[in-house]
Amino acid sequence: QKEVEQNSGPLSVPEGAIASLNCTYSDRGSQSFFWYRQYSGKSPELIMSIYSNGDKEDGRFTAQLNKASQYVSLLIRDSQPSDSATYLCAVRRGSSNTGKLIFGQGTTLQVKP
Amino acid sequence: GAVVSQHPSWVICKSGTSVKIECRSLDFQATTMFWYRQFPKQSLMLMATSNEGSKATYEQGVEKDKFLINHASLTLSTLTVTSAHPEDSSFYICSVPLAGGTDTQYFGPGTRLTVL
Repeated sequence: QKEVEQNSGPLSVPEGAIASLNCTYSDRGSQSFFWYRQYSGKSPELIMSIYSNGDKEDGRFTAQLNKASQYVSLLIRDSQPSDSATYLCAVRRGSSNTGKLIFGQGTTLQVKP
Repeated sequence: GAVVSQHPSWVICKSGTSVKIECRSLDFQATTMFWYRQFPKQSLMLMATSNEGSKATYEQGVEKDKFLINHASLTLSTLTVTSAHPEDSSFYICSVPLAGGTDTQYFGPGTRLTVL
């Protein structure tokens, strides 16, 4: 079992729709969770971090965490073609900021105009 | 925001040669840096943790004698791919965690290595 699992997709949504990206993790002791966006040929950029159960909103993005189910998701409202990218879920081992990040394989999102 | 640079951004080399990749933290000092590798259409795989003033910590399955890491200062870590082979062709990315209570890790722009 992989430590962090995502559906590779591609997930295709029409412009303006809500895109829902999902991620599960195996280490029940994980405390910190992140969503990164990666455009083709570029390095990842941080979109959201979440640490507590529930929802965290930032603009068009909402991260959801359910530690009991070991599940974290990212919702993108009003999806735009510029949101088309690969979205990586990452989980930090350990509690310090210098702990390792373990990435899922990423979900490719395609937003069609 | 913090800036992390990598040099070179891409490199093409012959099989058997060694390639050095630099990762610099331009805005802040970092006692720890991470090195990742990403093959096409795959996720980032952590290779090693670079520690300033001490030996790097390698992930299982990563050959420490092939991937030499030197964290020479608080702003510079280098990854040297020794005796590179075509299967080492990949996208190498470093990340720098921002200390001081935040949870942000800043990624460098990556280095595309192609071994012929």
